[in-house]
Amino acid sequence: QVTLRESGPALVIPTQTLTLTCTFSGFSLKTTGMCLSWIRQPPGKALEWLAHICWNDDFYYNTFLETRLTISKDTSKNQVVLTVTNVDPVDTATYFCARISTGNYGGDFDFWGQGTLVTVSS
Amino acid sequence: HSVLMQPPSVSGAPGQRVTISCTGSSSNLGAGYEVHWYQQLPGTAPKVIIFVNSNRPSGVPDRFSGSKSGTSASLVITGLQAEDEADYYCQSYDSSLSGVVFGGGTKLTVL
Repeated sequence: QVTLRESGPALVIPTQTLTLTCTFSGFSLKTTGMCLSWIRQPPGKALEWLAHICWNDDFYYNTFLETRLTISKDTSKNQVVLTVTNVDPVDTATYFCARISTGNYGGDFDFWGQGTLVTVSS
Repeated sequence: HSVLMQPPSVSGAPGQRVTISCTGSSSNLGAGYEVHWYQQLPGTAPKVIIFVNSNRPSGVPDRFSGSKSGTSASLVITGLQAEDEADYYCQSYDSSLSGVVFGGGTKLTVL
């Protein structure tokens, strides 16, 4: 069955770089149509899409954050990594990875990880 | 503020019907991009309940239905149950932003 699991530090110091890993199973990112996204949710607030990476090596970033984001994949390890540079307390959020399986970059996220809470504080 | 606009909250008594709206623009819903709806129970990840405007994944009760017209979309829940109390989000694609956009979320309270 499809599973996704996020991992990363629970606490990050302002100005540092945050590195998050999504480890997945039950599908391959080499399969046509598969994309993995990172989505975050500050406490008590709405969901915010951050980035996609897809089976064909296409990747896309949230326009407002793209200078700080890098997404990459390791298909041999079934992992997708997101780095966020120069973090600020406003980056405090639960970070989710989620899958699109239709190849449509605006498609629905059919599977989600449980999320990992990252707090940015000195 | 969110690109897709939703009412912050809606409420209804058990058994009643509620509608949650999602209003976009010519660069997302109005451009023909699909809308999807998610239910997020407290402390859990979102779960898709409507995909591609009006389709229900297997296992989602037929009390949930979706529609889209022009720059707007709606999620309708009939026969409200206590377990429906959750946050609901719409999602689409925006060509001006070249990325996925979410609504601001609607908190459903079952009275």
